[in-house]
Amino acid sequence: EIVLTQSPDFQSVTPKEKVTITCRASQSIGSSLHWYQQKPDQSPKLLIKYASQSFSGVPSRFSGSGSGTDFTLTINSLEAEDAATYYCHQSSSLPLTFGQGTKVEIK
Amino acid sequence: EVQLVESGGGLVQPGGSLRLSCAASGFTFSSYWMHWVRQAPGKGLVWVSRINSDGSSTSYADSVKGRFTISRDNAKNTLYLQMNSLRAEDTAVYYCARDYQQLVDYWGQGTLVTVSS
Repeated sequence: EIVLTQSPDFQSVTPKEKVTITCRASQSIGSSLHWYQQKPDQSPKLLIKYASQSFSGVPSRFSGSGSGTDFTLTINSLEAEDAATYYCHQSSSLPLTFGQGTKVEIK
Repeated sequence: EVQLVESGGGLVQPGGSLRLSCAASGFTFSSYWMHWVRQAPGKGLVWVSRINSDGSSTSYADSVKGRFTISRDNAKNTLYLQMNSLRAEDTAVYYCARDYQQLVDYWGQGTLVTVSS
């Protein structure tokens, strides 16, 4: 099973600040890494697919990078509506797995 | 607009059974693989099962293998999850999700399953 480890687990950020979340895979997964945003009491929403491709309708302040085992989600100029938990997810092999999540709080 | 609406959750005793349904609309259901993913209260996301577009191939997480069965009815645009021998650790919100190019793109709103005596 491929283990995904996110850091940090929690981040408190002021609006307009830049946020960086990392995801490390226990073995190489190429670019089969995706990012989701989950707000309280809502289902997850896809932000970035295949490491760096923005999903339809996602604001341009969200971007992704990386390949192999190390990946990054960047939120440029954080907005209040971005308060959420962010998960990385690998689709390289079964079982599909998710990172433990990174909660982003707005100061 | 892609819509996935789960139903069938509820309170069940340990050892009991439950069948979840997911009604799909807004896309050609029969062309897509589908998933079930669960989330225990206050915890992260855990993949449960996947089924291919015609229902001929399925995969399961080890934690549910032999107890859960995923299936679909393409004529009714509906995905199912039959859950048997339920345990307390199966308590979670269960999400139905669509597979696109081997990743999960759209999710339903979820249905809560509580296993407790």
